[in-house]
Amino acid sequence: QKEVEQNSGPLSVPEGAIASLNCTYSDRGSQSFFWYRQYSGKSPELIMSIYSNGDKEDGRFTAQLNKASQYVSLLIRDSQPSDSATYLCAVNLFTSGTYKYIFGTGTRLKVLA
Amino acid sequence: KAGVTQTPRYLIKTRGQQVTLSCSPISGHRSVSWYQQTPGQGLQFLFEYFSETQRNKGNFPGRFSGRQFSNSRSEMNVSTLELGDSALYLCASSLDRDRGRSSGNTIYFGEGSWLTVV
Repeated sequence: QKEVEQNSGPLSVPEGAIASLNCTYSDRGSQSFFWYRQYSGKSPELIMSIYSNGDKEDGRFTAQLNKASQYVSLLIRDSQPSDSATYLCAVNLFTSGTYKYIFGTGTRLKVLA
Repeated sequence: KAGVTQTPRYLIKTRGQQVTLSCSPISGHRSVSWYQQTPGQGLQFLFEYFSETQRNKGNFPGRFSGRQFSNSRSEMNVSTLELGDSALYLCASSLDRDRGRSSGNTIYFGEGSWLTVV
């Protein structure tokens, strides 16, 4: 089982809709969670970090964390064509005496104008 | 505040050659990590340095090496290049990645170095 799993997509949503991106992780020792956005040919850019159960909102973005179910999601409200990118989920977990940053393979989002 | 700076941005090398990539972290950041990204494998962790010491290492052959200097700047080297080493090499910095639930463990990426091996 992969440590961080994401549906590769593409996830297609119409402009103005809510895009919902999901990520599950296998290690209950995971302590912090991140969403990165990566445009084609560019490097990953941090969107959100979340550490506690519940929702965290930042503008059009909401990160949701459920540690009991071991998933973290990202909601993008009022999706715009400029949101079309690959979204990477990452977790920071403590293992073998140190912290490791594990990335999922990403979900490709396409927002249709 | 300047971000993570990587040089060179693009380079083409021949099989068998070696390459050195450089990374300057965000000012004040002491942890530097390196990742390889390819279309098929996604983001693969290479190694992490903190206070000039390698703190973590991924599953890459010994041809891949790195170091960190006293000013936190880091370099990675790949010797005896193979075609499969063609990738985007990303450097990321954080205050200290070895923190659990602290914002200090957030990593920020540079723009990357695109390496093509022919």
